[in-house]
Amino acid sequence: AQTVTQSQPEMSVQEAETVTLSCTYDTSESDYYLFWYKQPPSRQMILVIRQEAYKQQNATENRFSVNFQKAAKSFSLKISDSQLGDAAMYFCAYRSAYTGANSKLTFGKGITLSVRP
Amino acid sequence: EAQVTQNPRYLITVTGKKLTVTCSQNMNHEYMSWYRQDPGLGLRQIYYSMNVEVTDKGDVPEGYKVSRKEKRNFPLILESPSPNQTSLYFCASAIRTAYNSPLHFGNGTRLTVT
Repeated sequence: AQTVTQSQPEMSVQEAETVTLSCTYDTSESDYYLFWYKQPPSRQMILVIRQEAYKQQNATENRFSVNFQKAAKSFSLKISDSQLGDAAMYFCAYRSAYTGANSKLTFGKGITLSVRP
Repeated sequence: EAQVTQNPRYLITVTGKKLTVTCSQNMNHEYMSWYRQDPGLGLRQIYYSMNVEVTDKGDVPEGYKVSRKEKRNFPLILESPSPNQTSLYFCASAIRTAYNSPLHFGNGTRLTVT
């Protein structure tokens, strides 16, 4: 079974600075997808960024980028120019490409990011 | 607007009183799923459905039932709720065959069982 580990429960960043959220995962599969979701106080689950394991190029979405290290099974999220609206809980998630019927996401425990003005 | 709608947003009930949390999506997605979110545990899958009349257990199905009589609806049923089912619940849907497509989540249902 796959597992996703987010070892830091909380992080803090100064507004306009850069922060990196860590995520590692364990799998024996070679084809899979990785996601970062943001959960603000409104409880919505918002997709931030996704990465396909067979793509070597790291995904980017505006101020958000990932550092995907497939051999190390690491998938960190970098937030540049942090804004107050980035304060939220962030979840790293894994989806196998081999699950057939079940498009299950396996989530990490989440990390709470606070942004200092 | 494409969305997953859950109701209610908040629910307080007592042990043993049957309840249903509704979930509806308007994107014609084949795949739907329920998750529960607990502090320090992240989100865990309860049940999922590949299509109408096709459902299967996820990682934590004990104490829950689901049904999929129509493509758009996937209600979660707690026939005899217990305090350990106090949690934040999310319904999600996706295009079945597109593994790189994201799950679309509802806004969550905060359930408290006393």
